[in-house]
Amino acid sequence: NAGVMQNPRHLVRRRGQEARLRCSPMKGHSHVYWYRQLPEEGLKFMVYLQKENIIDESGMPKERFSAEFPKEGPSILRIQQVVRGDSAAYFCASSKSSPPRAGDTQYFGPGTRLTVL
Amino acid sequence: AQKITQTQPGMFVQEKEAVTLDCTYDTSDPSYGLFWYKQPSSGEMIFLIYQGSYDQQNATEGRYSLNFQKARKSANLVISASQLGDSAMYFCAMRDTNAGKSTFGDGTTLTVKP
Repeated sequence: NAGVMQNPRHLVRRRGQEARLRCSPMKGHSHVYWYRQLPEEGLKFMVYLQKENIIDESGMPKERFSAEFPKEGPSILRIQQVVRGDSAAYFCASSKSSPPRAGDTQYFGPGTRLTVL
Repeated sequence: AQKITQTQPGMFVQEKEAVTLDCTYDTSDPSYGLFWYKQPSSGEMIFLIYQGSYDQQNATEGRYSLNFQKARKSANLVISASQLGDSAMYFCAMRDTNAGKSTFGDGTTLTVKP
């Protein structure tokens, strides 16, 4: 039973380029969450998606960041025109229950480490 | 708004001893879930243990137990018989009945000494 898959594991971009991070949830999970972890800090929520719907994007920066979870295929977190401050680990998590419950565990992928040169 | 506080940036414990990692939380929602995750140096987030706000008993998972004191809004993680492989960053997290995002604390770095 495969866990949450993220790719790439490491991504290097130059300032101004675009970064695309992919996340495939666990089998049977229909809820995807993206978090960002800056060095030496905890995880900060960015966005919560179900298939074809953004449920909560209260943690997403207003500009340059977007996310989608299409009917087919992985969830994508897209960062346009990256800046050095975007360098961080980006984690995807998934959960199963629909509707989701407070006790519904979120399982995390291994993360994508983005480095902006 | 939810808030998680982990007041111990770093902790040391001798191998085979027990250690308690502190976590306090704040929420106005009567129904919520509390979670602990382990992040080793390799970077992945590993789920350890879950406690529901209405659970009568403290959660246990192997060497991990959660000391849940609802009135004090604390959810401390207890690791018994520490092993060298327990050296990692530990995060406390909470979800409420809106059941979307989790709110994380800043983490505690645990170092197990041989």
